[in-house]
Amino acid sequence: DQQVKQNSPSLSVQEGRISILNCDYTNSMFDYFLWYKKYPAEGPTFLISISSIKDKNEDGRFTVFLNKSAKHLSLHIVPSQPGDSAVYFCAAISSGSARQLTFGSGTQLTVLP
Amino acid sequence: DGGITQSPKYLFRKEGQNVTLSCEQNLNHDAMYWYRQDPGQGLRLIYYSQIVNDFQKGDIAEGYSVSREKKESFPLTVTSAQKNPTAFYLCASSISAGGNQPQHFGDGTRLSIL
Repeated sequence: DQQVKQNSPSLSVQEGRISILNCDYTNSMFDYFLWYKKYPAEGPTFLISISSIKDKNEDGRFTVFLNKSAKHLSLHIVPSQPGDSAVYFCAAISSGSARQLTFGSGTQLTVLP
Repeated sequence: DGGITQSPKYLFRKEGQNVTLSCEQNLNHDAMYWYRQDPGQGLRLIYYSQIVNDFQKGDIAEGYSVSREKKESFPLTVTSAQKNPTAFYLCASSISAGGNQPQHFGDGTRLSIL
């Protein structure tokens, strides 16, 4: 049973436009959320995170929004650049001692020039 | 440069053989993790270690073993008991296992069965 779901396996966006990647979760014990970016044959790179006490966190072109009542978060990239083309993973950490990451299945973003 | 080094990048195994994947970090991180990625799926946790000489099973530990004799090293052995070992294996570390610490990843090892 997937606790973190990324329902869109792929997304294509024109360069300069906004990319919106979505993530839903089911475990109400998750209290910290992260987005990772991954290029082929490389490990994921940490992008941005948000604590459950916030509803928005911004870092340059990247903004993460958290809607706790809907158990939904999204990553906005604006403006999108061709170098942003990668697989984006949403991940969540559960309150508790181990603080393990639970990952979604990823969304392949393609930014078209 | 500080980071996580996984070796080898590609590994081939004959059926019935055990193989060991290396993971070394020079970030002085206490916690280390092993994940497996299969096509179209997210990363699944195999084992993690919060401190030297201690490790815990993750969600899919069957057929795998680890050791944590040194802070900087967390090797993963894929045993012959692992029936479907072909996958991309990722090692990660974080400053500690507690709190909200992002995990930092190596570049992975792709394991294939001959």
